[in-house]
Amino acid sequence: LAKTTQPISMDSYEGQEVNITCSHNNIATNDYITWYQQFPSQGPRFIIQGYKTKVTNEVASLFIPADRKSSTLSLPRVSLSDTAVYYCLVGDSLMIKAAGNKLTFGGGTRVLVKP
Amino acid sequence: NAGVTQTPKFQVLKTGQSMTLQCAQDMNHNSMYWYRQDPGMGLRLIYYSASEGTTDKGEVPNGYNVSRLNKREFSLRLESAAPSQTSVYFCASSEDRGVINQPQHFGDGTRLSIL
Repeated sequence: LAKTTQPISMDSYEGQEVNITCSHNNIATNDYITWYQQFPSQGPRFIIQGYKTKVTNEVASLFIPADRKSSTLSLPRVSLSDTAVYYCLVGDSLMIKAAGNKLTFGGGTRVLVKP
Repeated sequence: NAGVTQTPKFQVLKTGQSMTLQCAQDMNHNSMYWYRQDPGMGLRLIYYSASEGTTDKGEVPNGYNVSRLNKREFSLRLESAAPSQTSVYFCASSEDRGVINQPQHFGDGTRLSIL
C-alpha cells in the first residue's frame, strides 16, 4: 500500500477554506484515495473518496492531479465543529485481501478551527 | 439505524486478565476490522475478516485473537492483558465490492486500560 504523508497540524478560522494536501508518491494503478474525519472520543467517519481529477460532495472536495502522486482535501467555509483529525488513506480492497493488509491511517492532520 | 456497535465502552483490567471485546454491525457488510489507536496516533490494524469464516492478521496482531462469529459479529480477545495493550479499540465494517476501496464504518470505540 502506498505510504502517505500529510501535515501534522493546521490552524484556520471560521468561514475560511481549509486545504489539506496528502502526498502518496508510490500510489498504484488500482489505488483509490479516501479521506476520513475523526472527532475526539469517536471513530473515524468517511468524508470523500476519489480516483482522479475532482470529486465533490456535500461536505468536501477532493482534488487529484493527473499524476495522482498527491491529493488535496478542501473543506469550504469551515466552522468550529470542523475541528478534528483528518486522515488520508490510499489503497484498494484487493490488496487488503492478498497482502495480509498493512492498512494504516497514519497520524493524520489535526485541524483547529478558531473563532 | 445503529451501524457498528461496540461493547463495552470502557474497561479496566489487571495485567494477566483476559477479556473479549464485542462488535456487531447491522449493515450486512462482508468485511470487518479491529484497530487500536494509541494517544496522539493514527489507527493500526490488528486483524480483519474479509468474509464470514475468514480472518487475517493486520499490522499488530500479537497478543490478540479474533472470531468472526457470523456475518454480523466480530470479536477481539485479549488472552493475557498487558499494559502495552492499553488503548482505544475501534471496530469497523465495509461492504467490500471488487477493486474499490470501500469506505469503512466505525464504532465509537472501547477504551481499555490495563494496570
